[in-house]
Amino acid sequence: NAGVTQTPKFQVLKTGQSMTLQCAQDMNHEYMSWYRQDPGMGLRLIHYSVGAGITDQGEVPNGYNVSRSTTEDFPLRLLSAAPSQTSVYFCASSPLLGYNQPQHFGDGTRLSIL
Amino acid sequence: GENVEQHPSTLSVQEGDSAVIKCTYSDSASNYFPWYKQELGKRPQLIIDIRSNVGEKKDQRIAVTLNKTAKHFSLHITETQPEDSAVYFCAASIPQNRDDKIIFGKGTRLHILP
Repeated sequence: NAGVTQTPKFQVLKTGQSMTLQCAQDMNHEYMSWYRQDPGMGLRLIHYSVGAGITDQGEVPNGYNVSRSTTEDFPLRLLSAAPSQTSVYFCASSPLLGYNQPQHFGDGTRLSIL
Repeated sequence: GENVEQHPSTLSVQEGDSAVIKCTYSDSASNYFPWYKQELGKRPQLIIDIRSNVGEKKDQRIAVTLNKTAKHFSLHITETQPEDSAVYFCAASIPQNRDDKIIFGKGTRLHILP
């Protein structure tokens, strides 16, 4: 099992550009989520999904879009990148959280917006 | 609102001494409390978790205690070793319509001094 795979690992964008951060898991987990990590701010939830076709907003959803067309994939889209979106982005997956199971994290994507 | 507060933000202890990190949460319906360890440049990894029907859980040198009445939980690391140096995050589940979501504290940077 590869677990949770995130691509790319690093990316530099110019303000206003768009891009998609990819996340895939091979554990057949229903629950997937995106977090951003900034110094001193911990991990803040952006969006999450409890299954294909279902997405919900987290703490900091503005400026980001998600979709969940399959169980395995949960891409995060930045439609018009802003310097404030410079961060490390982590994707995580787990069985449904109602079962109180831990999330498994990917290695992260380090994104810089110039 | 939904909130998890974590203290201290930085903690330095002598090797061999104990370290304690404390968290409080705001939603009385929270019932799952994981702790993650993140080494520099790495992904967060689960070290221990506790569910609301349990007051304490131990795993070798690591223990977590939960006080649901006071809405706080703590991580205890005994006989600290250099490899314990890392950032530690507490988290709490927040029930939602379809499933829970996980909200993280801002982290504690633990330094083990030789």
